[in-house]
Amino acid sequence: ELKVEQNPLFLSMQEGKNYTIYCNYSTTSDRLYWYRQDPGKSLESLFVLLSNGAVKQEGRLMASLDTKARLSTLHITAAVHDLSATYFCAVVLVGAGSYQLTFGKGTKLSVIP
Amino acid sequence: DGGITQSPKYLFRKEGQNVTLSCEQNLNHDAMYWYRQDPGQGLRLIYYSQIVNDFQKGDIAEGYSVSREKKESFPLTVTSAQKNPTAFYLCASSIFSLFLADSSYNEQFFGPGTRLTVL
Repeated sequence: ELKVEQNPLFLSMQEGKNYTIYCNYSTTSDRLYWYRQDPGKSLESLFVLLSNGAVKQEGRLMASLDTKARLSTLHITAAVHDLSATYFCAVVLVGAGSYQLTFGKGTKLSVIP
Repeated sequence: DGGITQSPKYLFRKEGQNVTLSCEQNLNHDAMYWYRQDPGQGLRLIYYSQIVNDFQKGDIAEGYSVSREKKESFPLTVTSAQKNPTAFYLCASSIFSLFLADSSYNEQFFGPGTRLTVL
């Protein structure tokens, strides 16, 4: 069974600071997705990471994937209040005749002035 | 204006009743998905459809049923067999199934969600 763990689950950070959210998963996969969810809202796709060493950047967010370590990171640079949201990673596993798509529990980020 | 719509936004159900949640997309996507989200939790996959007239169980399919008779529609029925149906339900679609196509443009788009409460 594919397990996906995010940490931290809660993160309070000051504006202007840098921080990293971690997503670990239990079974080798090279398909990982990051999403953002604002309170009471639906999910928005942020990044699609499909190979070892993949790095994607959008604004103050940068995501990377290390398939050997089974780890993805979401790095926040010089945080601003607008980045306050819950961030989820999701891993897709394609096996012999079986498919799994598992989300982490999410990291709730609060950026304070 | 392309996108995914879900209705209703809020739904109240009495115990023992079946209810159907609507999901429609006009993005011409082959694949559609249903997820359940409980407070403070990630999403869990209920059912997915990789192409019209096909659907497969996800991790928590018990007590739910779906159909995919049209490409643009993927309704979810929550039956009375689902023991704890109160949750936020999200529908999503992608150009191709995430399980079949590992392309960077093949991302999921989500609908606004339906909040189901059992009274």
